[in-house]
Amino acid sequence: GQNIDQPTEMTATEGAIVQINCTYQTSGFNGLFWYQQHAGEAPTFLSYNVLDGLEEKGRFSSFLSRSKGYSYLLLKELQMKDSASYLCAVMDSNYQLIWGAGTKLIIKP
Amino acid sequence: DAGITQSPRHKVTETGTPVTLRCHQTENHRYMYWYRQDPGHGLRLIHYSYGVKDTDKGEVSDGYSVSRSKTEDFLLTLESATSSQTSVYFCAISESDTDTQYFGPGTRLTVL
Repeated sequence: GQNIDQPTEMTATEGAIVQINCTYQTSGFNGLFWYQQHAGEAPTFLSYNVLDGLEEKGRFSSFLSRSKGYSYLLLKELQMKDSASYLCAVMDSNYQLIWGAGTKLIIKP
Repeated sequence: DAGITQSPRHKVTETGTPVTLRCHQTENHRYMYWYRQDPGHGLRLIHYSYGVKDTDKGEVSDGYSVSRSKTEDFLLTLESATSSQTSVYFCAISESDTDTQYFGPGTRLTVL
């Protein structure tokens, strides 16, 4: 079966750095997406990785290792507005997105 | 932000009644998707469309049907709602099957 695993919840301090991990087992691989979802709102796109390595976009970076079936999202200089759920999704061989259950990130002052 | 709206935004209905949710886009994107989101689960694909009158089933299609008569509109119908269909429903769009998906604001459906 297809499976995406990410931690259920993480807590971090304002101004710090946090890394959210995602491991996957899917039928094929056509890219990995990270989305942010604030409570009661829609998921919004953060990043896309299809090749191994690090993609940096401002305070957010995303890393991919296809051989290990592993990705992480790195958030720097955390702000209170970063409190949200972070969703990892893999596009499988049928070009359908397989989603993790999400990681709820709590930022404390 | 992609121009995607969903209606209604909230709905409470009774078991056994039919329900139709609407997704409307102004981006002229070819692909449209319906997902449901439940606590403890990732988003799960119900149905998707790859063009006018072209639709296919997703992972959790039982009890749901869809229609797409115009590029901009994608309708999700629950023929006879059940309590297990209480969920938040999201519509998404993308230009192609490999492109990033952009989500509408969601519809919270409660089936009593």
